[in-house]
Amino acid sequence: DIQMTQSPSTLSASVGDRVTITCRASQSISSWLAWYQQKPGKAPKLLIYKASNLESGVPSRFSGSGSGTEFTLTISSLQPDDFATYYCQQYNSFSPAWTFGQGTKVEIK
Amino acid sequence: QLQLQESGPGLVKPSETLSLICTVSGGSISSSSYYWGWIRQPPGKGLEWIGSIYYIGSTYYNPSLKSRVTISVDTSKNQFSLKLSSVTAADTAVYYCARLEIAAGGGRVWGQGTLVTVSS
Repeated sequence: DIQMTQSPSTLSASVGDRVTITCRASQSISSWLAWYQQKPGKAPKLLIYKASNLESGVPSRFSGSGSGTEFTLTISSLQPDDFATYYCQQYNSFSPAWTFGQGTKVEIK
Repeated sequence: QLQLQESGPGLVKPSETLSLICTVSGGSISSSSYYWGWIRQPPGKGLEWIGSIYYIGSTYYNPSLKSRVTISVDTSKNQFSLKLSSVTAADTAVYYCARLEIAAGGGRVWGQGTLVTVSS
């Protein structure tokens, strides 16, 4: 099974900060990596798919990069609406199984 | 606009079977472009993929839950369902259904989630 390791688990930042979250896969997943934002009491919202593709309607301050085993989600200038928990998720194209990272909570500093 | 809605009991007794249905509206479940999946989230914890189904009935399960999980699809009702047997308190969670995009590898459309509590 492919394991996803996300870091950090908690991140304290201020409005306007540049924020980077890392996700590592236990084996190569090519570009089959998605990023989600989740707010309390709500379902996850897709931000990035296939590692670097911005989902329609998502602000351009969000970006994703990486391939193989190491991936990053970057928020270029943190906004008040961005304080939330972020999850990475890998997709196995050979057997459509998903695995999520442990999550990163972005808190107000 | 596609919408997903979970339904089922909010309270299940230990050792019994948890049963949920996801109703798809605003689109057809019989599409070759998607899998339909179940994901859960225990209170205060992260997301866990339970399993997915293709409209023709092919299923894929999380190995850690495989012995207890059954996912099925009813294309005539535009629904898919989850059964999780022999539940314990550790199965208490918000259960989400979602549409899984094959081309994108992610889930664009999710249900609102339903809390299922396992307790006697």
